[in-house]
Amino acid sequence: DTGVSQDPRHKITKRGQNVTFRCDPISEHNRLYWYRQTLGQGPEFLTYFQNEAQLEKSRLLSDRFSAERPKGSFSTLEIQRTEQGDSAMYLCASSPGLAGVHEQYFGPGTRLTVT
Amino acid sequence: AQTVTQSQPEMSVQEAETVTLSCTYDTSENNYYLFWYKQPPSRQMILVIRQEAYKQQNATENRFSVNFQKAAKSFSLKISDSQLGDTAMYFCAFWGTQGGSEKLVFGKGTKLTVNP
Repeated sequence: DTGVSQDPRHKITKRGQNVTFRCDPISEHNRLYWYRQTLGQGPEFLTYFQNEAQLEKSRLLSDRFSAERPKGSFSTLEIQRTEQGDSAMYLCASSPGLAGVHEQYFGPGTRLTVT
Repeated sequence: AQTVTQSQPEMSVQEAETVTLSCTYDTSENNYYLFWYKQPPSRQMILVIRQEAYKQQNATENRFSVNFQKAAKSFSLKISDSQLGDTAMYFCAFWGTQGGSEKLVFGKGTKLTVNP
């Protein structure tokens, strides 16, 4: 068990470009969460999956954001037409189902800088 | 909606001393979980300690313990024998199921510095 991994760790992009981040959860964790953390703030919830089903999306997740978890394993978060306000750390977390559903384990994050 | 408030943006403590970080929350739920997460500089979020609301006994993990006051909706973290490696941002987080929404709600964090 190698923990939650995220790729890339850092991404610098120009405004208007599209970016995609990947998250690999702990194996056999059927829940996967995405959060966004801006400087000096706590993480804010974006969306989560149970297996391949996306069960909830935050109002923070504008139409430019889309997340997928096609086979119930890894997940991708895509941001289209990036804006400077999208600059943040994007965190992924996973949790086991049932009795452990409340306990989330975080990855190292992807830091996005939009210039 | 649930909210989590950490009223201490920054704190410092001398090595080997004890420090307490404060957290209050607001919810109408009766069954929920509370967590403290640690985020060292440029490193990933680590779960420090958890508390289940239906348990009256305060959780303890080695040098870390909590003071959970359910009626007051207070959940403070005590770090005993502080070590330099405890320097980090500490986030209080709430997990509940109100309205079918199962996610962590975080406070804004407390930056803790342990001085040698």
